[in-house]
Parts: sequence; structure tokens; C-alpha cells
Amino acid sequence: NAGVMQNPRHLVRRRGQEARLRCSPMKGHSHVYWYRQLPEEGLKFMVYLQKENIIDESGMPKERFSAEFPKEGPSILRIQQVVRGDSAAYFCASSPNPQSSTEAFFGQGTRLTVV
Amino acid sequence: AQSVTQPDIHITVSEGASLELRCNYSYGATPYLFWYVQSPGQGLQLLLKYFSGDTLVQGIKGFEAEFKRSQSSFNLRKPSVHWSDAAEYFCAVGAKGNTGKLIFGQGTTLQVKP
Repeated sequence: NAGVMQNPRHLVRRRGQEARLRCSPMKGHSHVYWYRQLPEEGLKFMVYLQKENIIDESGMPKERFSAEFPKEGPSILRIQQVVRGDSAAYFCASSPNPQSSTEAFFGQGTRLTVV
Repeated sequence: AQSVTQPDIHITVSEGASLELRCNYSYGATPYLFWYVQSPGQGLQLLLKYFSGDTLVQGIKGFEAEFKRSQSSFNLRKPSVHWSDAAEYFCAVGAKGNTGKLIFGQGTTLQVKP
């Protein structure tokens, strides 16, 4: 059973370009969470999605950031018109059922560098 | 406000010495508590978790943590540190019913001296 898969592992974008980060949850998991880790900081929650639904986007920046988790395929975190301050590690976690007594499992992360 | 505080940003210990990493939380509901470890350039690996029951929990790699409700603390301990334990350690808190939405502390970087 493969773990949470994120790709790419490293992504370099020029200012103003778009960044697309992908996350494939563990098999059987239908709940996905995205986190951002700025340099020298802990992880900050961004958004929680179930298949085809955004459940909680309280941590998402109001502009340029969006997320989706379609019925088929991976979850996508999209950052439009990237700026230097978007440089960070973005982690995805998945869970089979957050209401059960089980933790979410994290992927290896995507390191985004904006030049 | 809900928060997690890890008072020590950097800790250096000698190999073979004991270790305690501190974690204090402020959380309105009954907390679910976690310790994760992150090696450079890697993802997060769960060391241990506390949901309920025995307040002393055992984890992987010889780590343990004790939940103290009266002190709002969940400190991580290891009796004898190995050089391979050098990494960054994160304490996190979540809620029953939503164990994927976590509040993380800022992390403690552990250095191990030979």
C-alpha cells in the first residue's frame, strides 16, 4: 500500500507563473489536507477536501490559491501568479475517516522555489 | 486562541544522553496530541499520538510522551539519544472528529553531539 504521493518533489517557478502541486492520497482515503511550511516555521493548515468538495478552506490565502479534489485523480493545489513569498514546502496529508481515531498520513512534500 | 508552543527552538544533546522536548498547548476541546519528526528535505513521520486512555504513550524509535492535562503539556522523551535522532520535531494538536486538521508548533531542532 503506497503512502501519500506528492509530485513534483521540487518545483521552480518564475514570478508570475502558475504552480500546480499534486497529491495522491493513500488507497482508501477520501479526505485530503494541504499544509504550508514556510522556512524555519511549523506547518500551517490551508485546506481540507473530500472528493469533489471543499470542506474547510479557512487557512487558504484569499487570492491566487485554489484547491480541488476531483472524483477521479489526485488533489491539486494551484497557485496563480506566484510571488517570492510563496516559496515554501507544501505538504499533503490524507485520512480514511477523520472522525475515527486514526491519524492523517503525510506525503513527502513539494518544495516550491519562486525565482 | 488555539496554539501549540514548543519553547525550545534548538536543543543539543550528547549521544547516549536523555532527551526531553517540551510542548504546551492551548485548545478549547479535548485535544488529540501528536509528535512528528522531520528529517531534512523529508516529510513528516508520526512518532506517537495520544487520543485517550493511558497518559503515557509509547511510540516508535524508543520515544515516549506524557499527557498532563493540568499543565496542558505533552512532552516527548527518550532515555538515550542516538546520532540518527538528529532532526526537527513537531508537536501538534487536533480535535476528535477532525484528526487531519492540526495545529503545529514551530518545531524543535535536535542536534546530537558524538
